[in-house]
Amino acid sequence: KAGVTQTPRYLIKTRGQQVTLSCSPISGHRSVSWYQQTPGQGLQFLFEYFSETQRNKGNFPGRFSGRQFSNSRSEMNVSTLELGDSALYLCASSLVAEMNTEAFFGQGTRLTVV
Amino acid sequence: AQSVTQPDIHITVSEGASLELRCNYSYGATPYLFWYVQSPGQGLQLLLKYFSGDTLVQGIKGFEAEFKRSQSSFNLRKPSVHWSDAAEYFCAVGSLIKAAGNKLTFGGGTRVLVKP
Repeated sequence: KAGVTQTPRYLIKTRGQQVTLSCSPISGHRSVSWYQQTPGQGLQFLFEYFSETQRNKGNFPGRFSGRQFSNSRSEMNVSTLELGDSALYLCASSLVAEMNTEAFFGQGTRLTVV
Repeated sequence: AQSVTQPDIHITVSEGASLELRCNYSYGATPYLFWYVQSPGQGLQLLLKYFSGDTLVQGIKGFEAEFKRSQSSFNLRKPSVHWSDAAEYFCAVGSLIKAAGNKLTFGGGTRVLVKP
């Protein structure tokens, strides 16, 4: 079956703009988590959505937001982009959110802010 | 707060030699433990996981990991490294608390270089 699909794979934006990234989880998976990966901070949890509700949120400013649709697809939005938002954004899908089941990661979206 | 430490940022190993990657965690109880691998430009692939039971866990690609509660460690090993094992390896912990869902806390990663 198809894996986790993230679009687009690469993105270049200008400071101050906003961006929307998309994640389609594995069919049947209802939990989607987002992570930011940078050389300086490593892999950091952004948020998790389950059944269209945000379940958990990491320590990121309010400029970072997300949502999940009824088909479990998720989007994350970053407003008023800063140079420090340049990162690889990874999406992970899991079957459920009640316990730690295996998380399957997409290939990520590489965001460059100039 | 839970945390994960991978003391080695880089490790260089000869092809055919054994490999051990260290991981120490800080958590109030025994968490769920994971090892992931990331090839350049790619996402993360799960190598193995520990939830409970036998402290020696077998994973994919010939990897194994041993959970040692007394040392709060979950070290990854491979007896004989192949050139294709060159990648970055991440140790991660997940909470036993139901409300925490699927949130993973990652270590800083260890980059493995394989010499021919």
